[in-house]
Amino acid sequence: AQSVTQLDSQVPVFEEAPVELRCNYSSSVSVYLFWYVQYPNQGLQLLLKYLSGSTLVESINGFEAEFNKSQTSFHLRKPSVHISDTAEYFCAIRLGDYKLSFGAGTTVTVRA
Amino acid sequence: EAQVTQNPRYLITVTGKKLTVTCSQNMNHEYMSWYRQDPGLGLRQIYYSMNVEVTDKGDVPEGYKVSRKEKRNFPLILESPSPNQTSLYFCASSPLAGVSYEQYFGPGTRLTVT
Repeated sequence: AQSVTQLDSQVPVFEEAPVELRCNYSSSVSVYLFWYVQYPNQGLQLLLKYLSGSTLVESINGFEAEFNKSQTSFHLRKPSVHISDTAEYFCAIRLGDYKLSFGAGTTVTVRA
Repeated sequence: EAQVTQNPRYLITVTGKKLTVTCSQNMNHEYMSWYRQDPGLGLRQIYYSMNVEVTDKGDVPEGYKVSRKEKRNFPLILESPSPNQTSLYFCASSPLAGVSYEQYFGPGTRLTVT
């Protein structure tokens, strides 16, 4: 069965420091992977996605994720975080035609 | 503005009192889905719909009902709520055509059942 595992439930980080959120997936077929972000008291927003092609995907606000087939990973990184990056981040994998399966989430708290 | 709306945003109710959480999208999406979010469990799918009058169970459908009489609306019904249904609920939609595969989420409904 296809699934994702987020390896960190909480990641505290200082402002302007780098951050990495780890996501491993399990799948025996082609995968489509996503990172969603949930800011406090809001719904989920798509941050970035891997469907095919380049294994490095980027978002407009400085995050990037690398699809690594040999490691079955899709880790999310940002070289320098801001206070406004404080949020919960979810890794997700597409199952079947349209269903998404989500990881348990990683709470990122950025401190000044 | 393209969006998914949910009402109410917050609801406190008592065990056994039927309630409905509404979901509406203005993007003409065929696919709609309900999730519940619980700490440490991420989002789990309750029900989904591929189009009008086409609904199916997700991973945690027990205690919930849905209907899809119109393309834009996908209400979630709790016939007899229980405390274990206290959760944060999200509605989402996406088009069936195209290759984006992005789901668009509503702002969430925080439900407390006492």
